[in-house]
Amino acid sequence: DQQVKQNSPSLSVQEGRISILNCDYTNSMFDYFLWYKKYPAEGPTFLISISSIKDKNEDGRFTVFLNKSAKHLSLHIVPSQPGDSAVYFCAASGTWESTLTFGKGTMLLVSP
Amino acid sequence: SQTIHQWPATLVQPVGSPLSLECTVEGTSNPNLYWYRQAAGRGLQLLFYSVGIGQISSEVPQNLSASRPQDRQFILSSKKLLLSDSGFYLCAWSTTGGRNTIYFGEGSWLTVV
Repeated sequence: DQQVKQNSPSLSVQEGRISILNCDYTNSMFDYFLWYKKYPAEGPTFLISISSIKDKNEDGRFTVFLNKSAKHLSLHIVPSQPGDSAVYFCAASGTWESTLTFGKGTMLLVSP
Repeated sequence: SQTIHQWPATLVQPVGSPLSLECTVEGTSNPNLYWYRQAAGRGLQLLFYSVGIGQISSEVPQNLSASRPQDRQFILSSKKLLLSDSGFYLCAWSTTGGRNTIYFGEGSWLTVV
């Protein structure tokens, strides 16, 4: 049973436009959410996180939105750049959990 | 600052041969340590995690094992590799407690032939 779902395997966006990556979760005990970016043959790098007491967190071009009632979060990248082309993973954990549960990832392609 | 390093970066091993992947973390003490695998076209699968020396939790039954002989060292092993063990293996660390941000190493490509 997948507790963290990224239903779009891929997304194509033009440079300068907004990229919106979506993630849904089913476990109501999750209260901490993260996004990671991964290039081929490299380890994922941490991008941004949000705890359940917030509904928005910004870091430069990256903003994460959390809708707890819908059990949905999204990552907005504005403006998108070709260097943003990568696989993006959504992850979640509960307050006292030592591990993260990852989605299967969405491949973002930003074209010039 | 904290750093994580794993090796080897790539290896090609015959079926039935042993495996040893090593990982070390610097700049922190008593970290949580993790081994993940990304098979081709799939997401990140947690294999093992450890909250302390000698404490290993296995998430997926398989022919792999993990050990933590020192506080900041994590080793992934197999006595006999299978073709299905091929994949991209990632070591990672986090601070202890909940709401952890996990930081990954560079990854190791394993091809079993």
